[in-house]
Amino acid sequence: DAKTTQPTSMDCAEGRAANLPCNHSTISGNEYVYWYRQIHSQGPQYIIHGLKNNETNEMASLIITEDRKSSTLILPHATLRDTAVYYCIVRPLGGGADGLTFGKGTHLIIQP
Amino acid sequence: DAGVIQSPRHEVTEMGQEVTLRCKPISGHNSLFWYRQTMMRGLELLIYFNNNVPIDDSGMPEDRFSAKMPNASFSTLKIQPSEPRDSAVYFCASSSHRAGGDTQYFGPGTRLTVL
Repeated sequence: DAKTTQPTSMDCAEGRAANLPCNHSTISGNEYVYWYRQIHSQGPQYIIHGLKNNETNEMASLIITEDRKSSTLILPHATLRDTAVYYCIVRPLGGGADGLTFGKGTHLIIQP
Repeated sequence: DAGVIQSPRHEVTEMGQEVTLRCKPISGHNSLFWYRQTMMRGLELLIYFNNNVPIDDSGMPEDRFSAKMPNASFSTLKIQPSEPRDSAVYFCASSSHRAGGDTQYFGPGTRLTVL
């Protein structure tokens, strides 16, 4: 899997939008961008994924730059329960049956 | 849907003892993964199965670790003999391979402490 770079930690005020960046400058044309998060003492949880178009679901939005070298995960109205480590992972199309390679992720802390 | 089920949730054992961790994947999923998480090394893939067949066990630390998947609804990860450095949280995940990518669903984990 291509390497990703994320900030170690970020703070965000409750109720505001949390914007988590990820750099993946070596991403290949057939690789997707995935986001997972891990709340303390729980297993990782899938959030969203995309190839090149922006994506939105009930949890978050994913904005991928036109050159696909970076992306931003947006939590539109962060709550205290969104405090977690967020992992950005890139993996190839057809790699769906392969394991995930987790980096260190971003520790997002939502402040009351 | 019950999600991925792991047992036990916590295990404390003494060095040299055999440890067996269990996982029940989500019904209908055809891929199963075992991960380990420690403070030092983060989340690491140990082994994964597709359609009950082990595909890649290159992440298994050493011969003391073994994993089996006798059927589509059950998998075990065994450590024999256990050592203090095996202390970690072990996660099982399952997925249904489909075009356009997949989503892995993780269980709650088993926290293993080897004294």
